[in-house]
Amino acid sequence: NAGVTQTPKFRVLKTGQSMTLLCAQDMNHEYMYWYRQDPGMGLRLIHYSVGEGTTAKGEVPDGYNVSRLKKQNFLLGLESAAPSQTSVYFCASSYKGAGGYEQFFGPGTRLTVL
Amino acid sequence: TQLLEQSPQFLSIQEGENLTVYCNSSSVFSSLQWYRQEPGEGPVLLVTVVTGGEVKKLKRLTFQFGDARKDSSLHITAAQPGDTGLYLCAGPGTSYGKLTFGQGTILTVHP
Repeated sequence: NAGVTQTPKFRVLKTGQSMTLLCAQDMNHEYMYWYRQDPGMGLRLIHYSVGEGTTAKGEVPDGYNVSRLKKQNFLLGLESAAPSQTSVYFCASSYKGAGGYEQFFGPGTRLTVL
Repeated sequence: TQLLEQSPQFLSIQEGENLTVYCNSSSVFSSLQWYRQEPGEGPVLLVTVVTGGEVKKLKRLTFQFGDARKDSSLHITAAQPGDTGLYLCAGPGTSYGKLTFGQGTILTVHP
């Protein structure tokens, strides 16, 4: 099993450009999440999905859109990139184990917006 | 909003030393998790503590959940360079498996 994969691994955008980050998981998890990670701020939830065809806003959703057309894929879109969106983006999926929900993370996408 | 505060934010030690990382909140959590993140990778779950006062050991790592379930600690004995990374505590959010993360502790263990 590949677990959670993310593409691309690195990307540089100019202000105003758009892009889509792709996340795929092969563990048949219902729940998926997009986070951004900035120095000293931990992981902040952007959007999440509780199943195919459903999405919801997280803590910092402004400037991002998401789609979950297939259970295994969760896409994060930036319609008009801004320098404030320079960050490392992580996708995760989760299932409920004996101790509660465990999240499995992808390797991240490092995005720089100039 | 449930907040988790970690301390210290940075820790730089020599191989063989012991260390403790703290995770505190004013809110009660049903459980707390600890993740480790290595450079260039995503976080990986180390442990989940569920019961107040619970102590779990993972080789040289000892995790404790406070009696009141508002805090947790991670103690590493005889740290090794391979322990270097970002340590994150996380508590369950309102629903759907969401997690609230602390800001993290960056640990560097020098040979």
